[in-house]
Amino acid sequence: KQEVTQIPAALSVPEGENLVLNCSFTDSAIYNLQWFRQDPGKGLTSLLLIQSSQREQTSGRLNASLDKSSGRSTLYIAASQPGDSATYLCALRPLYNFNKFYFGSGTKLNVKP
Amino acid sequence: EAGVAQSPRYKIIEKRQSVAFWCNPISGHATLYWYQQILGQGPKLLIQFQNNGVVDDSQLPKDRFSAERLKGVDSTLKIQPAKLEDSAVYLCASSLSSSGSSAFFGQGTRLTVV
Repeated sequence: KQEVTQIPAALSVPEGENLVLNCSFTDSAIYNLQWFRQDPGKGLTSLLLIQSSQREQTSGRLNASLDKSSGRSTLYIAASQPGDSATYLCALRPLYNFNKFYFGSGTKLNVKP
Repeated sequence: EAGVAQSPRYKIIEKRQSVAFWCNPISGHATLYWYQQILGQGPKLLIQFQNNGVVDDSQLPKDRFSAERLKGVDSTLKIQPAKLEDSAVYLCASSLSSSGSSAFFGQGTRLTVV
């Protein structure tokens, strides 16, 4: 069974710092992996979707990478801002059932002004 | 493009009462998901519909939870009777198809059972 882990559970950084959020998974047979942002009391907002055949995706200050062989994905946030404070979740779809998402428990990011 | 709509946003009920949540997915999205998110955890899939058929309900506590998707569009999720451990945010999501396209989430319904 696929397991998705996000470490650390919480992270606090000063404004302007570049940072990396980690997502690891146990089964490399994945269909795709998606990074979401969740603000308190809100739903999930999709940030980046990486297909199994891709190594990375970029959107603005965000860059997500995928390394299936090591079972890892990273979300890189450049020049962090207080508005980036939120919980970041990764979710993947396995090859054997690409209908189904497996979510990590998230990393709660606090960017201090 | 309108997003996924959910109502109500918040609900407080006593244990053993019933509650229902409503979801309207993005127009044209064939796949609809209901997730339960307990505080501090990632979302857990309760049920997935493809049009109006159930694809996966393996983690739905069927003795108390039920869901339907009428005409392959709107969906309702019901809990009867509610337990304290059902306190969570219930998220609805939809995607264009089940072939791995991006999923879009609603704002969720925060349920508190007292």
